[in-house]
Amino acid sequence: EAEVAQSPRYKITEKSQAVAFWCDPISGHATLYWYRQILGQGPELLVQFQDESVVDDSQLPKDRFSAERLKGVDSTLKIQPAELGDSAMYLCASSLARDRSGGYTFGSGTRLTVV
Amino acid sequence: KQEVTQIPAALSVPEGENLVLNCSFTDSAIYNLQWFRQDPGKGLTSLLLIQSSQREQTSGRLNASLDKSSGRSTLYIAASQPGDSATYLCAVFDYKLSFGAGTTVTVRA
Repeated sequence: EAEVAQSPRYKITEKSQAVAFWCDPISGHATLYWYRQILGQGPELLVQFQDESVVDDSQLPKDRFSAERLKGVDSTLKIQPAELGDSAMYLCASSLARDRSGGYTFGSGTRLTVV
Repeated sequence: KQEVTQIPAALSVPEGENLVLNCSFTDSAIYNLQWFRQDPGKGLTSLLLIQSSQREQTSGRLNASLDKSSGRSTLYIAASQPGDSATYLCAVFDYKLSFGAGTTVTVRA
């Protein structure tokens, strides 16, 4: 069964350092999403891509977060500098349908701990 | 802004009992609703996807209903097993996917 690949699975970084996460969606999925999930809460959307274009980044803290999907396939989410409050699970998801009828497939996530 | 609420926040039942998980959302103009399962420290696994035109979906012991006009969905899990212990998340899609905080289920052997 096709999967959304994410790496690394776990990351521990010191405050003020830079950190990056990678996501490879299911082949052919045009839409890619990055979510952040704080412990005990539901995931919240950070950024949505349609192919290589950003569709929604209204909840992305742009002073420290950046995301790219240069060739419309895999994607990288970066945080610089990391803050203690950034500790969370970062989830990537992809979707095939452009007509909003399809479901989402999520990766296993990257657990970030900022110390 | 879409608000998704899941009640109860936690649930503990003996093995074999049926589970009923509730989800409510504030804006009924949705395209679909999806139920996910999340094990501790893991990603999300899709359980059921209900289109806005549908009333329910079934997969094995799982059945989900959708009443779009009243902004409600219910996930039923029949004959619960210890392996069903997890957090169950409801998410609605209007122009983006919005999640509830989840219901954490413990099934006691």
